[in-house]
Amino acid sequence: KQEVTQIPAALSVPEGENLVLNCSFTDSAIYNLQWFRQDPGKGLTSLLLIQSSQREQTSGRLNASLDKSSGRSTLYIAASQPGDSATYLCAVREANTGNQFYFGTGTSLTVIP
Amino acid sequence: GAGVSQTPSNKVTEKGKYVELRCDPISGHTALYWYRQSLGQGPEFLIYFQGTGAADDSGLPNDRFFAVRPEGSVSTLKIQRTERGDSAVYLCASSPHSGRAWETQYFGPGTRLLVL
Repeated sequence: KQEVTQIPAALSVPEGENLVLNCSFTDSAIYNLQWFRQDPGKGLTSLLLIQSSQREQTSGRLNASLDKSSGRSTLYIAASQPGDSATYLCAVREANTGNQFYFGTGTSLTVIP
Repeated sequence: GAGVSQTPSNKVTEKGKYVELRCDPISGHTALYWYRQSLGQGPEFLIYFQGTGAADDSGLPNDRFFAVRPEGSVSTLKIQRTERGDSAVYLCASSPHSGRAWETQYFGPGTRLLVL
């Protein structure tokens, strides 16, 4: 069974810092990998989706990379803002089943003004 | 346009009771997913619908859980004889199709179920 791990579990940084969130997965046969943001009491918002054939995706201050062979992805957030405070989840979609999405337990980010 | 909606937003029930959770996907989306998220955990896959049929129900924890999508749009997750361990946030997501590597999932706000 696919296992998705996110490190660190929690992170607190001062406003303006650049930061990196890590995601690792055990089975490299994936279809795609997504990074989501979850605000307290809310659903998930997709931030970036990387297909298995891609190595990175960028959106504004966010950049996500994928190294499928080593089972790793990173989410880079530039010039962090208090509004970035949320839980960040990564999820992989397996290639073999195509339907199963496996989520990590998330990184809780706090950006201090 | 309207996003994925879920009702009720909160549900409190007693152990042993039956509950139904409803999901209205984005109009026209053929793929629909149910997940369960326990406190401090990531969402866990329960079931996936392609149109009206359950294409993959391998995540349902036991036979107390059942889901339907009779007309290929609205879906209902049904839980019989609820147990305290069923307390969690139940999330629904939809996507335009399935099997497309570039498609994202759109999530609803979830239903918070508390079994006393």
